[in-house]
Parts: sequence; C-alpha cells; structure tokens
Amino acid sequence: GIQVEQSPPDLILQEGANSTLRCNFSDSVNNLQWFHQNPWGQLINLFYIPSGTKQNGRLSATTVATERYSLLYISSSQTTDSGVYFCAGRTGNQFYFGTGTSLTVIP
Amino acid sequence: EAEVAQSPRYKITEKSQAVAFWCDPISGHATLYWYRQILGQGPELLVQFQDESVVDDSQLPKDRFSAERLKGVDSTLKIQPAELGDSAMYLCASSYTGGEAFFGQGTRLTVV
Repeated sequence: GIQVEQSPPDLILQEGANSTLRCNFSDSVNNLQWFHQNPWGQLINLFYIPSGTKQNGRLSATTVATERYSLLYISSSQTTDSGVYFCAGRTGNQFYFGTGTSLTVIP
Repeated sequence: EAEVAQSPRYKITEKSQAVAFWCDPISGHATLYWYRQILGQGPELLVQFQDESVVDDSQLPKDRFSAERLKGVDSTLKIQPAELGDSAMYLCASSYTGGEAFFGQGTRLTVV
C-alpha cells in the first residue's frame, strides 16, 4: 500500500492565526479526502478533492495530484477548529489514512 | 441529511467475551468499510465490502474477527473472544463505488 505522511504532527495556534497542513503520498491516488475528527471520535468530511482547489468558509484545500500532495488551509482559526485532521487517499479499492495533525487553538 | 448509523456508541466487555457492532450505511452506497482506530493513530482498514461481497479483508484478524453484509445493506462486525488489545474505536464508512466516503459516529470499545 501507499504511505501517507502528514505534517506537522502537532500544531498550537493562537485564536485568529492562519495555518497550513500538508499531506504527502508515496504514490498516485485517484481521490483524496480531508477529515476533522471531533472530540467524540467522529470523522467529519471537510473536502473531497482529487485535484484543484476548493473553499468552504474559512477552510480551503488544494491538491496537486501530479506531485502527490495536498494542503489544507485554515484561516482565522477558532477554538472549535481544535482536533485532529486526517487526509486519506484512495488507490484501487482502498483508502489510506495519514497519522493526522493534532491542532490546538488557544483563546 | 443521510448519515451512516452505528451502534452501540460505547461498549465495555470483559476479555474472552464476544462483542458485535452494527452499521447501517447511507442508502444506495454499495461500498462499506470497517476501520479500527487506536488512540493516537490513523484509522486502519479491517474489511471492505462491495455490495455483499468482501473485496479486502487482508488486515482482519480472522481467528477472532468476522464481518458480514448479508443483503448488501447493513453490516455486523464481531469479535470473539475479545482481547485487551482490541480496545479501540471501530468506525464504519460507506460510499458510492469509488466515491466520497462518509463515516458514522463510531463504537468505542473497551476490553477489561
């Protein structure tokens, strides 16, 4: 299977700051998703983004499929953005998850 | 809005006992996944169904774990006997074939 590397592993931000999370894949994927895991453990869909750029409010994502990476941008962070962010890429039938970025936003 | 339903939300069981989890995918989703997530790690695939057929169970510990999706709709994951190392979050997801995956709320299992 493919390896999925997420960086940074941990991130602490002051409320209002911006951040960029990165996801690198060891091989090509044919689709890619970003998730936010809430404190109760549920994975919440943020973006389904095989390529290109999408925006949803304060969050946006860019996937450069030819270079096998994706970026998640969080602007004007809020305390409710805290949690773990995962990317996952599909190749063939399988989804491969990264180990996540743990984000803490302090007031 | 359609959701993936899982039950129970929490389960505490003694080691060597049997435990079962249930998942009802979003209507029309042919692909169903069971993942296990250990604290501090990313989810790992246990088994993947396409309709009622298993397409990948390479990471499923088959000596104690079993999964079925008899009518190609809802699914059950069973562990017998449970071991202390099985304590984890068990996540179910579904998707249209090759499409965006959606996750349920998960079942948090504690084996004592």
